[in-house]
Amino acid sequence: AAGVIQSPRHLIKEKRETATLKCYPIPRHDTVYWYQQGPGQDPQFLISFYEKMQSDKGSIPDRFSAQQFSDYHSELNMSSLELGDSALYFCASSLGIQGTEAFFGQGTRLTVV
Amino acid sequence: GENVEQHPSTLSVQEGDSAVIKCTYSDSASNYFPWYKQELGKGPQLIIDIRSNVGEKKDQRIAVTLNKTAKHFSLHITETQPEDSAVYFCAASIRGNNDMRFGAGTRLTVKP
Repeated sequence: AAGVIQSPRHLIKEKRETATLKCYPIPRHDTVYWYQQGPGQDPQFLISFYEKMQSDKGSIPDRFSAQQFSDYHSELNMSSLELGDSALYFCASSLGIQGTEAFFGQGTRLTVV
Repeated sequence: GENVEQHPSTLSVQEGDSAVIKCTYSDSASNYFPWYKQELGKGPQLIIDIRSNVGEKKDQRIAVTLNKTAKHFSLHITETQPEDSAVYFCAASIRGNNDMRFGAGTRLTVKP
């Protein structure tokens, strides 16, 4: 079965650069969530989209923005990168937002140097 | 907002033994409690979930119990195998996955 696809898998950027992470949800899933996971930490909710509209916002820095496109894929844009942004970024998708199972992608490992 | 606490942070068991991981949550309005297994270099994988209208759910060697009054839920793994070794996260949410909050994780090691 198709899973959540994230690209790229690894990304190395320098401080103050920008990065764009992409997420392709499971076919027919209309909801996308972004999480940030630091080393040895639990995933922290950043932002979510339902039917191409932002549905909730968590601890996403103002330097980050995201959107969901007409084909339901989502992109997380990160600007003015800082060393502390180095983390695993996970995207998850679900069908609807009311307590339905969320399936995670493999993640993008971002390293800021 | 919701706060989820998870214990223990590390757990080591012998193959064949049982493992129990416990979580507590703060918001009594939470109604969805998934458990995720995360292996090294991979994304969290949903292994079982429970909703607030159910007290227990079982799937083969994995079971989850929920005590709404005490606001805690637990993951039980029986007959553990080395491939069960991973980090396990509990989570709780009120409005579905939008506001899902994770526990800090439990690193389970199953020794052969």
